[in-house]
Amino acid sequence: DAGVIQSPRHEVTEMGQEVTLRCKPISGHDYLFWYRQTMMRGLELLIYFNNNVPIDDSGMPEDRFSAKMPNASFSTLKIQPSEPRDSAVYFCASSSSETGLQETQYFGPGTRLLVL
Amino acid sequence: AQTVTQSQPEMSVQEAETVTLSCTYDTSESDYYLFWYKQPPSRQMILVIRQEAYKQQNATENRFSVNFQKAAKSFSLKISDSQLGDAAMYFCAQTNSGYALNFGKGTSLLVTP
Repeated sequence: DAGVIQSPRHEVTEMGQEVTLRCKPISGHDYLFWYRQTMMRGLELLIYFNNNVPIDDSGMPEDRFSAKMPNASFSTLKIQPSEPRDSAVYFCASSSSETGLQETQYFGPGTRLLVL
Repeated sequence: AQTVTQSQPEMSVQEAETVTLSCTYDTSESDYYLFWYKQPPSRQMILVIRQEAYKQQNATENRFSVNFQKAAKSFSLKISDSQLGDAAMYFCAQTNSGYALNFGKGTSLLVTP
């Protein structure tokens, strides 16, 4: 089975531009998570969804960040406008409650974002 | 607040030897889960091993095993017969049933021939 798919793998943009990161979870998984990894803060949860519904967005840094999950196989994380401090690796992860292992999250390859 | 602490920023091991990475955590919950993830230079986060807090038996996955000390809130990872491919950042993570993973800062493991 294909794992979690993220695109793009790398993104370089200029300050003020809109950035959209995309994620396709593992088929059949009903939980989807967005994490951000920086040197200063390590890995931190931004938001997670259950059955396409946002459950906890308390980690979203500010209004410039938004996330959507229009269907079970697709999610986006948007930054508008982007700032240099948003430079990080953004991970998407998914898990399944059906297996009884919903706590086990499988990660995508990440998107490395650089905002100039 | 839940915290996960990895006190060893860097570790080194010779090929074929055994190394243990330390992790302590803090939670007020009785039901929780612990994980070790490996992050090689490719940045991919790879699940290494998982432990349920209600299980007394330590989890094992091939050359990887854990020493889970619930009372001490300690969760160390032992890598036996270390291989060059084991070189990576290793992250300890904890979650209650609320699903969000809390990660430690990571331990960088160097494997020397």
